[in-house]
Order: sequence, then structure tokens, then C-alpha cells
Amino acid sequence: DSGVTQTPKHLITATGQRVTLRCSPRSGDLSVYWYQQSLDQGLQFLIQYYNGEERAKGNILERFSAQQFPDLHSELNLSSLELGDSALYFCASSATGGNQPQHFGDGTRLSIL
Amino acid sequence: GENVEQHPSTLSVQEGDSAVIKCTYSDSASNYFPWYKQELGKRPQLIIDIRSNVGEKKDQRIAVTLNKTAKHFSLHITETQPEDSAVYFCAASRASTGNQFYFGTGTSLTVIP
Repeated sequence: DSGVTQTPKHLITATGQRVTLRCSPRSGDLSVYWYQQSLDQGLQFLIQYYNGEERAKGNILERFSAQQFPDLHSELNLSSLELGDSALYFCASSATGGNQPQHFGDGTRLSIL
Repeated sequence: GENVEQHPSTLSVQEGDSAVIKCTYSDSASNYFPWYKQELGKRPQLIIDIRSNVGEKKDQRIAVTLNKTAKHFSLHITETQPEDSAVYFCAASRASTGNQFYFGTGTSLTVIP
């Protein structure tokens, strides 16, 4: 158990819909990262938040948005869903400061029908 | 920005043999290099990491070496076992970019019993 909690574990929805993925970081971690992993693909960095503020942005589509709340949990919102958005979405967290390992949650598997 | 290349993309070894996975990075300011193991459908798990002030680090059958001059680092697994079969990802980061990880594309390791 990494201490990072992601809900839901599985999500099945249709094209054009909107979903929200939730992540609770490890106790004490201020940074949250979101990644997308399509089938047999690598880890695509989407976005990072640190103590409520956006810190870094990767290949995140305009249809996707995220935020980190005062209690440090984070949500990733995906809208106008397309078939290609089907993937495993991971959240990771790390402690304050640089050069720290990121600890991954178990992911949310999103299937678009 | 940083670019991390990882080779090989697939690797098959006989049980008991050694496996080596190599990564190169482009940003000479990168100073933290973690390795993750991801089993099918599971979350990436940190298996070992190295900081730039160290040239080599070992943890039982796993070792990582870093050559800062050549900007490459390698994962060495000795006495491989079937349970070592997984996808391995290398990453590079530096504190000044907020601990954002730049991941390699992954190596699928198969250990043949």
C-alpha cells in the first residue's frame, strides 16, 4: 500500500460525457501528480500541483482540468470524452522539496464506450 | 526540457541470468534518478533510486549505476527470477523543476523459467 488513494477504481462511460477522478495523497505529501497510461504505453505526465497551486503542466488536453483542494486532495476532470481517452489514470504524491520519490496510487481505469 | 531515452524496449533473459537496462538523459542539471517496476495492471513501484552525488547504489539483487559525464544510468538485476518479469521505467528530475519526473518509455522484461 503506497498510501495514495484513488477513486473510483473503474469507470465506464460514453463518449461526450464528463468524469471526475479523485486522489488523496500520502499523509504529509504536498505535491500531487497526474499521469495517463494508455494500453501498452508509457507514463504520460499531465499536471502537477503543489500545496494547492499548479506547479508544472505536461501534455494535458484542454478538455482536461485539475485542481488541488485545501485538504490537499486532488481531482482530475475529463470532459467531452473520446474513445482515445480510455486509459489508466495514475495519481502520485511526493514529499516537500526536490529529489524525492513519487508514490503512485493504484489508478483509475477509464473505459469509454 | 529534459529528454530521457531508455533501451532496450523489450528484454528476455533466462532465469538466473543478469539483466541490464540503460537510460540516457539530456539535461546535465538533472540530479535524481529513480527506477520503477510496473507489473501488468498494477501501479508503478519504486525499486531503487540514485542521486547525482553517488556513482552506484545496490539493494540485494538490484543495482543502479550513474555516469554523470556521459549522462547515462543503468539498472542491473542479477540472478533474475520469474517474478522480476514486469515493465521497468527510468526517470530523471531536478529539484528546481519541482520534482517533475521525465520518464523513459519503459522496458518490458521477461524472465524465462
